[in-house]
Amino acid sequence: QLQLQESGPGLVKPSETLSLTCTVSGGSFTSSSYYWGWIRQPPGKGLEWIGSIYYSGSTYYNPSLKSRLTISVDTSKNQFSLKLSSVTAADTAVYYCARLPGFYPTGAFDIWGQGTMVIVSS
Amino acid sequence: DIQVTQSPSSLSASVGDRVTITCQASQDISNSLNWYQQKPGKAPNLLIYDGSNLETGVPARFSGSGSGTDFTFTISSLQPEDIATYYCQQFDNLPLTFGGGTKVEI
Repeated sequence: QLQLQESGPGLVKPSETLSLTCTVSGGSFTSSSYYWGWIRQPPGKGLEWIGSIYYSGSTYYNPSLKSRLTISVDTSKNQFSLKLSSVTAADTAVYYCARLPGFYPTGAFDIWGQGTMVIVSS
Repeated sequence: DIQVTQSPSSLSASVGDRVTITCQASQDISNSLNWYQQKPGKAPNLLIYDGSNLETGVPARFSGSGSGTDFTFTISSLQPEDIATYYCQQFDNLPLTFGGGTKVEI
């Protein structure tokens, strides 16, 4: 059964870069039928789509984060990663990775990682 | 960006009650709307996709309807395990956007 697992530092200093990795196991990462995405949720608040990537490397970013955001893929490790630069306290959130079935970077996130909490603080 | 307005933000109901949540999109999104359930400390779980299709394994008491700008999510008979926050999500256009959530309590 396909599983996603986020990993990375739980504490990042303001102005530094937040880096997270999502490892996909138990299924195909390079299938042409899926995109992969990042979603975040500040404490006590709603969900925000960060961006999505195809295994070939094509990326789709939320315009609100685009200037600070890089999403990349490493097919040899069945991983995709998130880098968010110049972080502030507003970037404190639970970060989820998820699968997006389909041939377009839209649709429903059908499998999610458990999420990882990232706190931005000095 | 397409805005999705979800209401109510919270509700309290009794076991066995019919519960209805609505989402209104800021423009016509056809049937490009999904519904998720999120329990405290857990990741969201997909319940309904493409407006009205029940995800595999999801109980039939959950349903979705609507198209265009107005959508409805219904729990036909509320169960104790349905206590959660529910979110809608549009996928007609990027950026993907979520409603603000509805917290369902008993």
